[in-house]
Amino acid sequence: EAEVAQSPRYKITEKSQAVAFWCDPISGHATLYWYRQILGQGPELLVQFQDESVVDDSQLPKDRFSAERLKGVDSTLKIQPAELGDSAMYLCASSPRTANNSPLHFGNGTRLTVT
Amino acid sequence: GQSLEQPSEVTAVEGAIVQINCTYQTSGFYGLSWYQQHDGGAPTFLSYNALDGLEETGRFSSFLSRSDSYGYLLLQELQMKDSASYFCAPNAAGNKLTFGGGTRVLVKP
Repeated sequence: EAEVAQSPRYKITEKSQAVAFWCDPISGHATLYWYRQILGQGPELLVQFQDESVVDDSQLPKDRFSAERLKGVDSTLKIQPAELGDSAMYLCASSPRTANNSPLHFGNGTRLTVT
Repeated sequence: GQSLEQPSEVTAVEGAIVQINCTYQTSGFYGLSWYQQHDGGAPTFLSYNALDGLEETGRFSSFLSRSDSYGYLLLQELQMKDSASYFCAPNAAGNKLTFGGGTRVLVKP
């Protein structure tokens, strides 16, 4: 079964450094999501793409976070500068379309630790 | 505004039945999804309710009452492998999902 690929699996960085995460959705999935999940909490939506366009980034801290999906396929999420409070699991998900019954398929995430 | 409530933790024994309730306030509500997440794993889709009523998928069933802004996930014949966190997630326009804090289910022998 096709999977959402994310890398790296783990990342340790010092505060004030830059960090980037990569996601490759399931082939043909038009919609891509980045979520942040703090330990013990539910995933929080950061940004949603439809093809290469951002459809929702209302919860993205734009002073330090950026996301792109240039060719409408894979995506990169960047944090610069990283802060201690950014330590979390960053999950990427994709779905075939924006129909409201379209399940999200999640990758295994990137666990970020900021020291 | 948006709000979402579900219990934080439930403990039950193997073979028992567990019901996880979810109440929500969501602008532009389309339906209610449920996801399962094992420790260290990725969330996986369980069910979606767009209409009022009960949807059954094997040992798991999900219910929705749109007029009450309420739904539940029913886990029957609990097995040890069902120990996980379960999230309700209202769907809004454009398949935007907002996840609750999750209910941690602990199944004991």
